[in-house]
Amino acid sequence: AQSVSQHNHHVILSEAASLELGCNYSYGGTVNLFWYVQYPGQHLQLLLKYFSGDPLVKGIKGFEAEFIKSKFSFNLRKPSVQWSDTAEYFCAVIFTGGGNKLTFGTGTQLKVEL
Amino acid sequence: KAGVTQTPRYLIKTRGQQVTLSCSPISGHRSVSWYQQTPGQGLQFLFEYFSETQRNKGNFPGRFSGRQFSNSRSEMNVSTLELGDSALYLCASSPTPGLNTGELFFGEGSRLTVL
Repeated sequence: AQSVSQHNHHVILSEAASLELGCNYSYGGTVNLFWYVQYPGQHLQLLLKYFSGDPLVKGIKGFEAEFIKSKFSFNLRKPSVQWSDTAEYFCAVIFTGGGNKLTFGTGTQLKVEL
Repeated sequence: KAGVTQTPRYLIKTRGQQVTLSCSPISGHRSVSWYQQTPGQGLQFLFEYFSETQRNKGNFPGRFSGRQFSNSRSEMNVSTLELGDSALYLCASSPTPGLNTGELFFGEGSRLTVL
């Protein structure tokens, strides 16, 4: 079955630390990949997306993600986190023929401490 | 440009009742999707509508239904409410459906509590 896994459920970092959140999916076909973020009290918003081309994509607020097809992974990275990055991060995938149906991972709650 | 608007934002119901939630997409967006968000299950896809037609459906029982109107506004209905239906229901809109459509724009959600 098609699924999306986020292995880190809770992450606590100090400001200026580097961040990497894992995302893996199970599916052998074409995928579109997304990272969404939900800041406290706010709606979900798109951080970045990958459809094709350069597997290293850059998003808003200094975030980037790398698609590694052989590992079925789309990990999110940021070299230096800020307190304002405290939020819940969701990896999401559209599988071939899925229309607009996003399959989400269970999310990673990131807390950045001063 | 106004975002996705969901009403009501909060509501409390009792078991056995039914509820209707409303979603107004961003102007010009014709595709509307619904998701259920719970702490244990995360975000689960409910259904997607485009031009008043349901294009995609998730694995939810028939108690969950929806529709889309000619102005692209959408409603979802849950009948015979159960305690487990307590969740944040999110609506998302996009300009067009199908693969490679890109970003979904989410509303702030309707938080349903079933007692």
